[in-house]
Amino acid sequence: GAVVSQHPSRVICKSGTSVKIECRSLDFQATTMFWYRQFPKQSLMLMATSNEGSKATYEQGVEKDKFLINHASLTLSTLTVTSAHPEDSSFYICSAQGVPGNTIYFGEGSWLTVV
Amino acid sequence: AQTVTQSQPEMSVQEAETVTLSCTYDTSESNYYLFWYKQPPSRQMILVIRQEAYKQQNATENRFSVNFQKAAKSFSLKISDSQLGDTAMYFCAFRGSGNTPLVFGKGTRLSVIA
Repeated sequence: GAVVSQHPSRVICKSGTSVKIECRSLDFQATTMFWYRQFPKQSLMLMATSNEGSKATYEQGVEKDKFLINHASLTLSTLTVTSAHPEDSSFYICSAQGVPGNTIYFGEGSWLTVV
Repeated sequence: AQTVTQSQPEMSVQEAETVTLSCTYDTSESNYYLFWYKQPPSRQMILVIRQEAYKQQNATENRFSVNFQKAAKSFSLKISDSQLGDTAMYFCAFRGSGNTPLVFGKGTRLSVIA
């Protein structure tokens, strides 16, 4: 199957700072990537759909100025959490459409802890 | 809007036995895809099996198979010869046509007991 790599796997940052999470498709081109957030013992919550070369589409209730998504190339999408607060601490996971068509593959996920 | 329902929050099975996880969905689309993902404690989302709605034949992948009932909008996962490594959260997911995101159920926590 297709490989999606996410980095960093774990990050700790101070309140008020910004942190960037990268999502790369290693062996295929991904015109569309998706970012999810997962709270403890819950399912994945879609945050936004990232399209290469255009603005991301955010889900209702997700602050686009706080969670900046950039998809500048066909193999890289980034999520930047700006002015992080402790309540932003969570597990963030990206995904991309691979081959065969309509199958979505996931990165390893990133644990963010804001102190 | 599409919805996915997993009615079993937790299940357990003896090693080497068979277990079936339930999933129902609601959609008005005719062309769509269904998936089961496994999420072990590492939190990595691992694709277990996929099914195209236009295919009548149920998908199988080694010990994993599905019972796809399109009219009933049901998509259950059967795990045969359960192994300790099958212990994980299992998510049923729906995807419509085009570059649309996955819609997930709430998950079923499966424990395989030695």
